[in-house]
Amino acid sequence: DGGITQSPKYLFRKEGQNVTLSCEQNLNHDAMYWYRQDPGQGLRLIYYSQIVNDFQKGDIAEGYSVSREKKESFPLTVTSAQKNPTAFYLCASSLDQSYNEQFFGPGTRLTVL
Amino acid sequence: KNQVEQSPQSLIILEGKNCTLQCNYTVSPFSNLRWYKQDTGRGPVSLTIMTFSENTKSNGRYTATLDADTKQSSLHITASQLSDSASYICVVSDNSGGGADGLTFGKGTHLIIQP
Repeated sequence: DGGITQSPKYLFRKEGQNVTLSCEQNLNHDAMYWYRQDPGQGLRLIYYSQIVNDFQKGDIAEGYSVSREKKESFPLTVTSAQKNPTAFYLCASSLDQSYNEQFFGPGTRLTVL
Repeated sequence: KNQVEQSPQSLIILEGKNCTLQCNYTVSPFSNLRWYKQDTGRGPVSLTIMTFSENTKSNGRYTATLDADTKQSSLHITASQLSDSASYICVVSDNSGGGADGLTFGKGTHLIIQP
């Protein structure tokens, strides 16, 4: 998992609640990404950030929000507007946006009760 | 639309045997192709990366091949070990100039090694 951490590993949420997933990296990478992984599906991009204070929507951004106030941190908030939030969430980082190798965190499994 | 198709969806082999996983893609223009290994409940870890000019690359018991003409890649695992049990994900990048939306992920092959 080399230098990128996610917390918590498991998270339970009641319907209607917002929840924030943490992602931190000490690799001095400019670019950071959030993906969602569901059984039998490929990783789907939620949001990505190429530099501090800038981020772009991915393919499935609805119901999610992010911030990038520090280079090391890229938290993801799952809002109550996300209709099916139960999934495995992966954070990744890369040196820059030009498809250098992505390093993934260990993931957070979110379950909505 | 760019697509990456992996086969088989799942595979069970005995420990010590070899196996080959397939990845076919329609991504264009092509930049590079990566194979990742993902243990259950963990994040993916890069195994190999191949660019247009490379047709074979090895990482220990893992050997990836690339045929850019037919847009096919394979990952061959030699003398499988129990620790090889994982999902293997093929990821193809286009050279559209940047941005994470240039990456196309396959759904993965779930490999189980039985003792």
